[in-house]
Amino acid sequence: DVKVTQSSRYLVKRTGEKVFLECVQDMDHENMFWYRQDPGLGLRLIYFSYDVKMKEKGDIPEGYSVSREKKERFSLILESASTNQTSMYLCASRALGESYNEQFFGPGTRLTVL
Amino acid sequence: AQSVTQLDSQVPVFEEAPVELRCNYSSSVSVYLFWYVQYPNQGLQLLLKYLSGSTLVESINGFEAEFNKSQTSFHLRKPSVHISDTAEYFCAVSPWFGNEKLTFGTGTRLTIIP
Repeated sequence: DVKVTQSSRYLVKRTGEKVFLECVQDMDHENMFWYRQDPGLGLRLIYFSYDVKMKEKGDIPEGYSVSREKKERFSLILESASTNQTSMYLCASRALGESYNEQFFGPGTRLTVL
Repeated sequence: AQSVTQLDSQVPVFEEAPVELRCNYSSSVSVYLFWYVQYPNQGLQLLLKYLSGSTLVESINGFEAEFNKSQTSFHLRKPSVHISDTAEYFCAVSPWFGNEKLTFGTGTRLTIIP
């Protein structure tokens, strides 16, 4: 069975802290994604990774960075958390291919920055 | 670039009544179309997809969606809803080429009234 896991379901941090959100997939997928989900805005892509050590900015990369040292793990980093980064963060993975391949989502991490 | 419009942010429906959730998209290239569902406190799951062929696609739990190219729409319908259909529904598109990226609508929260 397909599995994407995220390190925390709920996280509370203070303004200025460095925050790591971890995502692990067990499907040997090449592509991995980080989205944030906000009411009325839907899902917006922050960063994605085609493969190990490869990354590309999404639509809203400001204030975030990512790391992909191993194929199964994709980390989202908030260098200095701010209150406007309070949100639900969703990770997804996908097999590489020329035709369509489904994205599989993790359960999400609800981050609150105080 | 692609964009997706879901005009209805919330749709309340009585149990066993029919429902339609509207989705319109804009794209300069050919796209794949999707509906994702997010049940309370869970990640996103693919509900159904249109890739090619028959413009009417169905899910295993009774939902269907019809691709209308002339109206650039992909509305989701169910003839009789159940309490268990309470969720948020997201319409999404990806281009045929460079199809690793999904563009999401802002979501429609479906509430079933007993």
